[in-house]
Amino acid sequence: DQQVKQNSPSLSVQEGRISILNCDYTNSMFDYFLWYKKYPAEGPTFLISISSIKDKNEDGRFTVFLNKSAKHLSLHIVPSQPGDSAVYFCAMKSKGAGSYQLTFGKGTKLSVIP
Amino acid sequence: GAGVSQSPRYKVAKRGQDVALRCDPISGHVSLFWYQQALGQGPEFLTYFQNEAQLDKSGLPSDRFFAERPEGSVSTLKIQRTQQEDSAVYLCASSSNSDTQYFGPGTRLTVL
Repeated sequence: DQQVKQNSPSLSVQEGRISILNCDYTNSMFDYFLWYKKYPAEGPTFLISISSIKDKNEDGRFTVFLNKSAKHLSLHIVPSQPGDSAVYFCAMKSKGAGSYQLTFGKGTKLSVIP
Repeated sequence: GAGVSQSPRYKVAKRGQDVALRCDPISGHVSLFWYQQALGQGPEFLTYFQNEAQLDKSGLPSDRFFAERPEGSVSTLKIQRTQQEDSAVYLCASSSNSDTQYFGPGTRLTVL
C-alpha cells in the first residue's frame, strides 16, 4: 500500500500566480519531509525540507507547510516562473536510529505557462 | 562544489548480460544510497552505505543485485543476468547527515 500519495499527476499555472503542490501520507512515524524538483534526464534536486516539530518553512519563493494531524504536506511557489516547470516529488523519512531511507510520492508535473 | 556524479548516463544491455553502474558521491559524505526509479514512479530505496559498511540492503529486488563501496567513497551497483524488468533509472544519493540526500543525474538502464 502506498505510504506517500501525490494525487495530482499534473498541474498548470499561469506565470506569476501561486503553484500549490500537495502530498498525503499514512505513516505517522514520518518525521522529516522534503521536496525535490526533477527536470528531464536529470536527478532530483533538493528544494526545501521541514521537520515534524515545525509547521512551516520558507526559502525565497518556496514555502513548505506541514499539517501533522491531517498527515498532509504542501509546497507553495510564489510567484511561479516558467523555469519552475518540472516534476515535483515529496519525500519523507521516519524517526529513530537507523531510519534513513526516503519514501517518495509518484510526483506532480508542474507546467508554468508564460 | 562538485555534486554527485554517476556513470554511465545511459546503458543498453541485452537480457542476460551483467552491468556495473558507478557513483561518485559528494566529497566527505559518509552516507550513500541507491534508488531505482521506474517510469512514472518515484524513486524506490535499494540500499544504504555508511562509509564502507552496507547497513541496509533490504530494497534490493533479488540476489542478482549487488552493491559495494569498498573504500567508503565510490560505489558500484552491479546487476547480474539482467532482465527486462530491471529497466529503470538508477539513482545514487549522498548525505552528510542522513536527513537531506543529494542525488546524482542517474543511469538509465535499458534491457533489451
